[in-house]
Amino acid sequence: GAVVSQHPSRVICKSGTSVKIECRSLDFQATTMFWYRQFPKQSLMLMATSNEGSKATYEQGVEKDKFLINHASLTLSTLTVTSAHPEDSSFYICSAAGTGEYNGQYFGAGTRLSVL
Amino acid sequence: AQKVTQAQTEISVVEKEDVTLDCVYETRDTTYYLFWYKQPPSGELVFLIRRNSFDEQNEISGRYSWNFQKSTSSFNFTITASQVVDSAVYFCALFSPYSGAGSYQLTFGKGTKLSVIP
Repeated sequence: GAVVSQHPSRVICKSGTSVKIECRSLDFQATTMFWYRQFPKQSLMLMATSNEGSKATYEQGVEKDKFLINHASLTLSTLTVTSAHPEDSSFYICSAAGTGEYNGQYFGAGTRLSVL
Repeated sequence: AQKVTQAQTEISVVEKEDVTLDCVYETRDTTYYLFWYKQPPSGELVFLIRRNSFDEQNEISGRYSWNFQKSTSSFNFTITASQVVDSAVYFCALFSPYSGAGSYQLTFGKGTKLSVIP
């Protein structure tokens, strides 16, 4: 149980395009989903927290217009990197938190974004 | 404020050696949860253990064991008879329900990169 699927695992795009990353909790309902960014050889940096049906809460320094988060259902959250630039290239990881027996944070496999 | 310190940035051991990864945490809350995650080169974070602040019993799972000591605010992780497949970055993390940080928001340490040499 507690499987989180993140798609795509890798994406290469041209500068100026937008990229959407999906995060799904497959076997539980996620009351909260988190989006992280990880630079090489560094720890995870929390970008935003989203609860189903409400606006995401962004961490300080994260541009909400650049990183659009939608949490439309209890099993799906999306992160859209708008007008991507090379400096947005990074490893993005989502996680989902449930309740009851799924009380905890469960991570997706991550998406490696390369912007040319 | 909460903080997790993993002082060891990188560790290298020879296969079959035992290795301990250190984790020291800071929190003002009396109720909190501690976690260890493994991040292999593929990038996915693998959940290893969750321990709540009221349970100081040490835990053993196969070659893995955890030593939780509230007196020293430490939650150390030991791998016995290490194997090449144990090579990964290991993160220690902390969650306090009453920290105001939001639902299950984790505070991560910087991670320890473990390399097990054949």
